[in-house]
Amino acid sequence: DTGVSQDPRHKITKRGQNVTFRCDPISEHNRLYWYRQTLGQGPEFLTYFQNEAQLEKSRLLSDRFSAERPKGSFSTLEIQRTEQGDSAMYLCAGGLAGGSSSYNEQFFGPGTRLTVL
Amino acid sequence: AQSVTQLDSQVPVFEEAPVELRCNYSSSVSVYLFWYVQYPNQGLQLLLKYLSGSTLVKGINGFEAEFNKSQTSFHLRKPSVHISDTAEYFCAVTAYGQNFVFGPGTRLSVLP
Repeated sequence: DTGVSQDPRHKITKRGQNVTFRCDPISEHNRLYWYRQTLGQGPEFLTYFQNEAQLEKSRLLSDRFSAERPKGSFSTLEIQRTEQGDSAMYLCAGGLAGGSSSYNEQFFGPGTRLTVL
Repeated sequence: AQSVTQLDSQVPVFEEAPVELRCNYSSSVSVYLFWYVQYPNQGLQLLLKYLSGSTLVKGINGFEAEFNKSQTSFHLRKPSVHISDTAEYFCAVTAYGQNFVFGPGTRLSVLP
């Protein structure tokens, strides 16, 4: 158990609906990453935060995707007007920025599996 | 930009046999390298990482990997596998700890 939690674990929605996922890293994690993983593929980087600042968001798949980390603790990923192609596992990971040996290590949550009907 | 290739999508091996899972990467800058394992319906767990120093890196569950800069490889090895090692294995790279790039994964199946 990495201590990173994600909610919900499963989400089924109809095409066109909006969905929001939550990620809670452990308190020490000043970095937080979001990934999408489709069946048979490796995780695909979407965005990351350092504290509350979103430092990379160019990899978000479209303008329907947005993420926030308002207080530098938990984060949310929202998908608006969902499409069937959005069906995937959405993973978040916490990590540390700094000069220690833990630099660059990520601790993954269990993921949220989204199914768009 | 970085990219990762995992040459084998599936590797079947008998229990107690040795295994090597291959990973090659490309990058114009120095990178940090990682191997993760993913069990069904779970998140990814770090097996080992190479940041600097010795090119032979030992990880959890008896796995080790060797960084070869000239061949841009980071192959994962285990001398004797167990049924419980059956899982998906992902190689990943990052240049600055920002954008992590994962390979497509290798499914290791350990047969009794």
